[in-house]
Amino acid sequence: KNEVEQSPQNLTAQEGEFITINCSYSVGISALHWLQQHPGGGIVSLFMLSSGKKKHGRLIATINIQEKHSSLHITASHPRDSAVYICAVPEKLTFGTGTRLTIIP
Amino acid sequence: DAGVIQSPRHEVTEMGQEVTLRCKPISGHNSLFWYRQTMMRGLELLIYFNNNVPIDDSGMPEDRFSAKMPNASFSTLKIQPSEPRDSAVYFCASSLRVNTEAFFGQGTRLTVV
Repeated sequence: KNEVEQSPQNLTAQEGEFITINCSYSVGISALHWLQQHPGGGIVSLFMLSSGKKKHGRLIATINIQEKHSSLHITASHPRDSAVYICAVPEKLTFGTGTRLTIIP
Repeated sequence: DAGVIQSPRHEVTEMGQEVTLRCKPISGHNSLFWYRQTMMRGLELLIYFNNNVPIDDSGMPEDRFSAKMPNASFSTLKIQPSEPRDSAVYFCASSLRVNTEAFFGQGTRLTVV
């Protein structure tokens, strides 16, 4: 069993929809990392959070350390949000399986 | 800072040849990670360094792979001899220290024919 599990693995939505991607982990951590990988291949750090909520533009990340669960939300989704979203545990950067998001115009 | 810099961006080589991938971490970052990404296996950690010292190389697939970090501003990942199954995108990432936010290079796309 992976230490970091994401769901869903694939998600297709219409432009403007509210998107939620979930991440559960089995190891004890002090923080969690959300990454974005675009079709071109580059990996970008979105958030590193250890409690509560962080917001950056239309992206919101929440984490519950006790429940070992984090969510990434995208409001008013846009086709340019289409990418693979990956959650990672900082210790050695153990990655989740990724969620491939496709936003249809 | 220009971010994590990897070179080359693309490498095509023949089976059996030696391949060297290079990484320059962000200045001041003490942790450096090498990853391999394939369609089948996703992102896999190969090795990581802390203060230029290899801490965990359990992800290195076999003895054909080796990594060095001679100083705080440079690391190499070498494959000798290369095989077609080594074809992948290799990413380098650095962070201020272990367990802090990591920043990735653009990756090196390696094709072994």
